Amino acid sequence: TQLLEQSPQFLSIQEGENLTVYCNSSSVFSSLQWYRQEPGEGPVLLVTVVTGGEVKKLKRLTFQFGDARKDSSLHITAAQPGDTGLYLCAGGTSGTYKYIFGTGTRLKVLA
Amino acid sequence: SQTIHQWPATLVQPVGSPLSLECTVEGTSNPNLYWYRQAAGRGLQLLFYSVGIGQISSEVPQNLSASRPQDRQFILSSKKLLLSDSGFYLCAWSAPHRRGGSGNTIYFGEGSWLTVV
Repeated sequence: TQLLEQSPQFLSIQEGENLTVYCNSSSVFSSLQWYRQEPGEGPVLLVTVVTGGEVKKLKRLTFQFGDARKDSSLHITAAQPGDTGLYLCAGGTSGTYKYIFGTGTRLKVLA
Repeated sequence: SQTIHQWPATLVQPVGSPLSLECTVEGTSNPNLYWYRQAAGRGLQLLFYSVGIGQISSEVPQNLSASRPQDRQFILSSKKLLLSDSGFYLCAWSAPHRRGGSGNTIYFGEGSWLTVV
């Protein structure tokens, strides 16, 4: 069974601080996505990475796919209250149509 | 543009009663369709996915079932609900004919809150 473990589970920080969220698995994934979810809504895609070692930047967010394609990280620089939400990683496997989601990291940025 | 809708948005059902959640996608053909369940503030658990009419893959054995009677319609059902079925249910779709390796975007519906009492 493929599992994606995220850490930390909860994170509460002050505005302006930096943070990193991790997504780890013992399985290899062909693609890794990061989503953000607001309460009562469905997750919304932030980024997709498909190459081992790939780094993508989205404004203050930096995403990295591990060399072995088993893990990923999301780094936020100078966090803002608008970054508050549930962050989810999701792994796709070549040859299947299913996407496995991580356990989630709930981030709260205090003003 | 493509849209996805699911209903009802909120549902309170007694233990042992049946369930039917519906989801429709517009603006695309032959999408991959998914049902996920989410416990409060946690990750998503894949329940079912479908790559075509009548084709259902079950990921977790339980008292839920799914059906795809039409190309863009996905239904989640139960004959008898359990307390443990409570949660936030999300329908989702991705582009057709592309497997996980190519990194399809998954688009989610608004979600359905189910409380079994």
